[in-house]
Amino acid sequence: EDQVTQSPEALRLQEGESSSLNCSYTVSGLRGLFWYRQDPGKGPEFLFTLYSAGEEKEKERLKATLTKKESFLHITAPKPEDSATYLCAVQGAGSYQLTFGKGTKLSVIP
Amino acid sequence: DGGITQSPKYLFRKEGQNVTLSCEQNLNHDAMYWYRQDPGQGLRLIYYSQIVNDFQKGDIAEGYSVSREKKESFPLTVTSAQKNPTAFYLCASKRDSYNSPLHFGNGTRLTVT
Repeated sequence: EDQVTQSPEALRLQEGESSSLNCSYTVSGLRGLFWYRQDPGKGPEFLFTLYSAGEEKEKERLKATLTKKESFLHITAPKPEDSATYLCAVQGAGSYQLTFGKGTKLSVIP
Repeated sequence: DGGITQSPKYLFRKEGQNVTLSCEQNLNHDAMYWYRQDPGQGLRLIYYSQIVNDFQKGDIAEGYSVSREKKESFPLTVTSAQKNPTAFYLCASKRDSYNSPLHFGNGTRLTVT
């Protein structure tokens, strides 16, 4: 059974204070690891897909990295508009569905 | 703009009534999904469909039903058999069943009293 654990559950940062969110996973044959951003009352917004260990992807202040056991979402010099819940999900080999973690709620204080 | 439309945004029902949540996509995606989101829990899969006229149960299908008569549409019915129906429901689609990302609608918040 695929499993995803995200930590911390909640993170408060001062504006400009860089940090990382963690996504640990167990999966039988990784097809893809996905990061999403979710604002309150809205659906998740797709950010990145990572397919293999060592892969990195960047978008503005966000950078996602992947190892064989975990993924990190690095946030550099965050701004208040980066405040949201960040979700991690995996899809394993032979599966048609994604398994989601519970998310990390990020608050960036001005 | 291509996307997924869920309606209505808010829905209120009395206990014992069935209710249908709408999901329409114009992304030409083959696969469509229904998830349920509750506070403090990850998204949980209710049903998914990889092709028209075919669908499979997810992890929490009891008390729910779906249909997939058209590629663009995947309505979810919450029946009176669902014991805790109050939740945030998310519809999603993806281009294929391999490893393309899910794209989500903006959800329907259902409250049953």
